[in-house]
Amino acid sequence: NAGVTQTPKFRILKIGQSMTLQCTQDMNHNYMYWYRQDPGMGLKLIYYSVGAGITDKGEVPNGYNVSRSTTEDFPLRLELAAPSQTSVYFCASREAGPAYEQYFGPGTRLTVT
Amino acid sequence: GESVGLHLPTLSVQEGDNSIINCAYSNSASDYFIWYKQESGKGPQFIIDIRSNMDKRQGQRVTVLLNKTVKHLSLQIAATQPGDSAVYFCAEKNNFNKFYFGSGTKLNVKP
Repeated sequence: NAGVTQTPKFRILKIGQSMTLQCTQDMNHNYMYWYRQDPGMGLKLIYYSVGAGITDKGEVPNGYNVSRSTTEDFPLRLELAAPSQTSVYFCASREAGPAYEQYFGPGTRLTVT
Repeated sequence: GESVGLHLPTLSVQEGDNSIINCAYSNSASDYFIWYKQESGKGPQFIIDIRSNMDKRQGQRVTVLLNKTVKHLSLQIAATQPGDSAVYFCAEKNNFNKFYFGSGTKLNVKP
């Protein structure tokens, strides 16, 4: 199993541009999450999904959108990028239960200038 | 929102010593807690978890202690090794399946 994969690894955006961060998992997990990690900080939840077609907001959803059309994929869309969105983005997935361990991807480092 | 905080941002220990990393949480309704290890440039990696109906759980060289009275948990690493050098995060899960992470403690292991 590849686990959780994320693309791209790095990206530089200009203010106002848009992009999609890709996340794919091959473990047939129902739950998927998007987090952002600012320098020296912990992870903050952006959006999560409990299954295909179902998504919900986390702590910091403003400026982002998600969709979940399949179990495997959970893309994160940034519209009108702002410097405040400069961060490292992690995607994670987990089983429905009873274990709650999340499996994380390697991250996407995004810089908005 | 949730508040998960750590007492010490950086911890330096000698190789072979035991390490203790502390974490405070604010939501008494949280029912599950996890410790993650994050090495530089990588995603967090699961270390150990504990449910709110337990006080202690042991893994290989690691122990997590949960004190619900003061809303505090700790991660103990026995015989700390250079490979343990990383940033350690605690996270709590609330009733809505959302996870809240602390800001992390950097563990430096001196040879």
